[in-house]
Amino acid sequence: GQSLEQPSEVTAVEGAIVQINCTYQTSGFYGLSWYQQHDGGAPTFLSYNALDGLEETGRFSSFLSRSDSYGYLLLQELQMKDSASYFCAVSTGANNLFFGTGTRLTVIP
Amino acid sequence: DTEVTQTPKHLVMGMTNKKSLKCEQHMGHRAMYWYKQKAKKPPELMFVYSYEKLSINESVPSRFSPECPNSSLLNLHLHALQPEDSALYLCASSQEGQLFYGYTFGSGTRLTVV
Repeated sequence: GQSLEQPSEVTAVEGAIVQINCTYQTSGFYGLSWYQQHDGGAPTFLSYNALDGLEETGRFSSFLSRSDSYGYLLLQELQMKDSASYFCAVSTGANNLFFGTGTRLTVIP
Repeated sequence: DTEVTQTPKHLVMGMTNKKSLKCEQHMGHRAMYWYKQKAKKPPELMFVYSYEKLSINESVPSRFSPECPNSSLLNLHLHALQPEDSALYLCASSQEGQLFYGYTFGSGTRLTVV
């Protein structure tokens, strides 16, 4: 099986930087992904890390440390529209994706 | 076309009914998935299809029966469901074995079992 833990809630100010952590335990590991989901919406893909290090995509960056079974999502220049739930997800094979507990991000003015 | 389309968007069914959820994509993705999501919980993987063949069944009760008629369509047949099966059912697709590009999710079918 697999387990992924994230903080349940995070609040940050518009324009600030926020980091959402994810620790995981799996049998087998292909990579760690991050998804955003607005209330009532579909999860949308943000990033994927298969190797250690930082991946940057615009205002979003994602980090992975395979030796520590740890990753994080970094959101910069926060905007009100970033208020959503964020899920880390681990793949233990080429065609599966298991989601973490989710972090609800609230951006305040 | 970069979308996954799910129908219906909402469904209310009785415990003795038979209904089907439908999912369609035209992105040429050869892997398709069903997830179940309860309120304020993460999506839970139910089934994985790879090249139209069922490759993963995450110990889902037999009252849920998936079907992949062709590379663009994925169905989920429902029969004798329980009220606890009420949830958002999400379909997703991806390029086969290409995790780097992520999954594309549909907006889901919100199912209520009465």
